[in-house]
Amino acid sequence: ETGVTQTPRHLVMGMTNKKSLKCEQHLGHNAMYWYKQSAKKPLELMFVYNFKEQTENNSVPSRFSPECPNSSHLFLHLHTLQPEDSALYLCASSQAREGGETQYFGPGTRLLVL
Amino acid sequence: GQNIDQPTEMTATEGAIVQINCTYQTSGFNGLFWYQQHAGEAPTFLSYNVLDGLEEKGRFSSFLSRSKGYSYLLLKELQMKDSASYLCAVLDSNYQLIWGAGTKLIIKP
Repeated sequence: ETGVTQTPRHLVMGMTNKKSLKCEQHLGHNAMYWYKQSAKKPLELMFVYNFKEQTENNSVPSRFSPECPNSSHLFLHLHTLQPEDSALYLCASSQAREGGETQYFGPGTRLLVL
Repeated sequence: GQNIDQPTEMTATEGAIVQINCTYQTSGFNGLFWYQQHAGEAPTFLSYNVLDGLEEKGRFSSFLSRSKGYSYLLLKELQMKDSASYLCAVLDSNYQLIWGAGTKLIIKP
């Protein structure tokens, strides 16, 4: 248990569906991250929020839309996804964005797009 | 470009020692992380090296040589529960984490 939870753990959706992934951290951290993890590939950083403000968007398609209502919660809204978006989506948090603080990860949501 | 290289897969025997290597070429360096990830679970933090040398933490040790752009994770007295993927990540000059693709370690009895 790392103090970061994610729901759902598994999700199957069609290309026309709309769904949301949820992440919650209980560590009192101020920075939260969304990563995409595909088989045999490095983790891809998607979005970063620092003190609830989005600080990075690494050229992620607009069909992925993040939301950070407060420092403890992070959402990833999904719509009109493509089969190549099937992957493990990991949420992480750290004390702050600056200074290279250690990131703590949630268990991920395994997403399958049909 | 920035690059992290580590072997895709390694196999070792229970009770033995294994060394997982990681080489990197990055824009600057602010430290190197090792994470362990069991199948279907969260990556969990193992170690952080920013200075050259060996850091020992129980059965696990991590070594760094900044001049060579090289690190390794050493696992001693291997147990079946050590079967997992091991991720190497480097913090570049902008404090961005650059990740390797991970090394899947298989432990055989």
